[in-house]
Amino acid sequence: DAGVTQSPTHLIKTRGQQVTLRCSPKSGHDTVSWYQQALGQGPQFIFQYYEEEERQRGNFPDRFSGHQFPNYSSELNVNALLLGDSALYLCASSGVGERDTDTQYFGPGTRLTVL
Amino acid sequence: KQEVTQIPAALSVPEGENLVLNCSFTDSAIYNLQWFRQDPGKGLTSLLLIQSSQREQTSGRLNASLDKSSGRSTLYIAASQPGDSATYLCAVSYNDMRFGAGTRLTVKP
Repeated sequence: DAGVTQSPTHLIKTRGQQVTLRCSPKSGHDTVSWYQQALGQGPQFIFQYYEEEERQRGNFPDRFSGHQFPNYSSELNVNALLLGDSALYLCASSGVGERDTDTQYFGPGTRLTVL
Repeated sequence: KQEVTQIPAALSVPEGENLVLNCSFTDSAIYNLQWFRQDPGKGLTSLLLIQSSQREQTSGRLNASLDKSSGRSTLYIAASQPGDSATYLCAVSYNDMRFGAGTRLTVKP
């Protein structure tokens, strides 16, 4: 049973460009959350998707947007990239089918570098 | 606004020692607290989750406690091994999940 998968693994962009990151949740999970982790810091919550709707959002500008598909996979889009967007972007899934539905399972992350 | 702090930021111990990692949070209104492990450049692995109504959880050599009223949690690691070397993060959940900056643990053979 595959866990949470993310693509691509690494990505290099230049300022002003747009980027799309992808996440497939663990089998049976219906909720996907996205986090940004800068070097040496803990992850920061970006937003959470459930039933194809954004359910909660952290303190991130509108340049950060997302989508969840009917198969529960998700995309994170970032427009007008800034140098400060360079970080590890983590996707986590949770939901029914687990003994504890609150436990979040994280993917390996996408390392985004903005030059 | 919920703030999560982890002390110490880094810890180095010889193999075999028992150790305690600390996590404190400012708002006691939480649903649960979760401890994670992160290896360099990798994603997070959930270690233990404690619901707000619980006091502790145990898994193997790991024991996590929660004192919601004082805003504190501890992660106890028994008989540490070099394979335990990683960054340990705690996170509290209410409307969203807030993380501490982590404790970087090195266990020396």
